[in-house]
Parts: sequence; C-alpha cells; structure tokens
Amino acid sequence: AQSVTQPDIHITVSEGASLELRCNYSYGATPYLFWYVQSPGQGLQLLLKYFSGDTLVQGIKGFEAEFKRSQSSFNLRKPSVHWSDAAEYFCAMESHMLTFGGGTRLMVKP
Amino acid sequence: DGGITQSPKYLFRKEGQNVTLSCEQNLNHDAMYWYRQDPGQGLRLIYYSQIVNDFQKGDIAEGYSVSREKKESFPLTVTSAQKNPTAFYLCASSAGQGSNQPQHFGDGTRLSIL
Repeated sequence: AQSVTQPDIHITVSEGASLELRCNYSYGATPYLFWYVQSPGQGLQLLLKYFSGDTLVQGIKGFEAEFKRSQSSFNLRKPSVHWSDAAEYFCAMESHMLTFGGGTRLMVKP
Repeated sequence: DGGITQSPKYLFRKEGQNVTLSCEQNLNHDAMYWYRQDPGQGLRLIYYSQIVNDFQKGDIAEGYSVSREKKESFPLTVTSAQKNPTAFYLCASSAGQGSNQPQHFGDGTRLSIL
C-alpha cells in the first residue's frame, strides 16, 4: 500500500539555523511528490513539487527538496530559517490520489 | 485573482442537524476534493469529483454527501449520521486527478458541535 511518513511530529530550530524536514514514501514506482505548508487556521500552500528530472527542486520562500530514489525520501531543506517559517509542513505523494503524511510542526526560537 | 473560496470560515452545528459547506473555484479546474483534518493529523479524503455530475467516495465518506452540478462548485453536506463532525474541512481543486498538476486549497471551514 502506498503511504507517506513524516517521522518528526514536532521540530524546533533557532532563527537563522538550517532546517531539514524528513519525508519517506512507499510506492512501487516514482510518484509525484509535493511539500505544502499550512499556517494556523489556513489552507495549504504549495512550496514545491517533483515530477521528474533534476532531483533537487527549488520552491518558494527559499525552500528546496531533494528526491532520493534509493532512500524513498523527499526531504525539505532551508539554509536559514526565519520566524515566519513557523507552521505545519506536509509532504504528499500522488499516484492515483494524493496521499499526505501526518505533518511536521515547526517552531522557531528567537 | 483565481482561487478557491470556502464559506463560512466557522460553522456550528446542533446535534441531529445537517450542515452544508460551500466551496467555489474560479480556476477552471476539472477536479475538486474535500478533505477532513483533525488536530495533529494529516488530511483524509472525504469525496472527490473529476468532472461535473460525477463524484467518488474517498477514504472517510460515511456521514457526508456532495454534489457537483457546476464545474466551479462542490458543496459538502455533513449529515446527522456523521457522529464526530468537529474538524477542519479543506476543499481543493486541480486541473485533473492524477495529473502532474498540484492541488490548490481553500482556507478551510472549521465545524464545531454546539
């Protein structure tokens, strides 16, 4: 069965520090992969997507993600976190339907 | 600007009452979706529609109903059969299901039981 796992429920980083949010997927082929961000009480905003080609994809707000087929991973990274990045982040995979991970809540310390 | 509009933002339901959540999109998207989000959990698919006058059950359709009479509208009714309706409901649309076009989301409706 296809699934998406985000192993970290909560992550806290200091402002200006680097960030990596983990995402692993289970699927028989290469799926379409997405990262979304959700601020409290809001909908989801697309950060970036991977369909094919270059395994390092750039997104909005300075985020990037790297697809690693051998590890079935699609981790999200940012070199320097800003306080406004505090939110919940969802990794998602689309094969037949869109399947979401459970989310990672990011807190940013001043 | 094109987008998805969900209304109302907050909704309260009495026991035994049906309520309808509105979702309208002006993105000219064929596919529309309804998700339920509970605290600390990811999104779960309730219903989806790939085209007008057609819709399919998602993972948690029991206690919910939908209609798709117009391309731009996909209302969700939470019926009295849904025993635990308190949640955050998100509507989304995409150019096509299973395509390489991502889903776009509305700002959600929070439903609470009085």
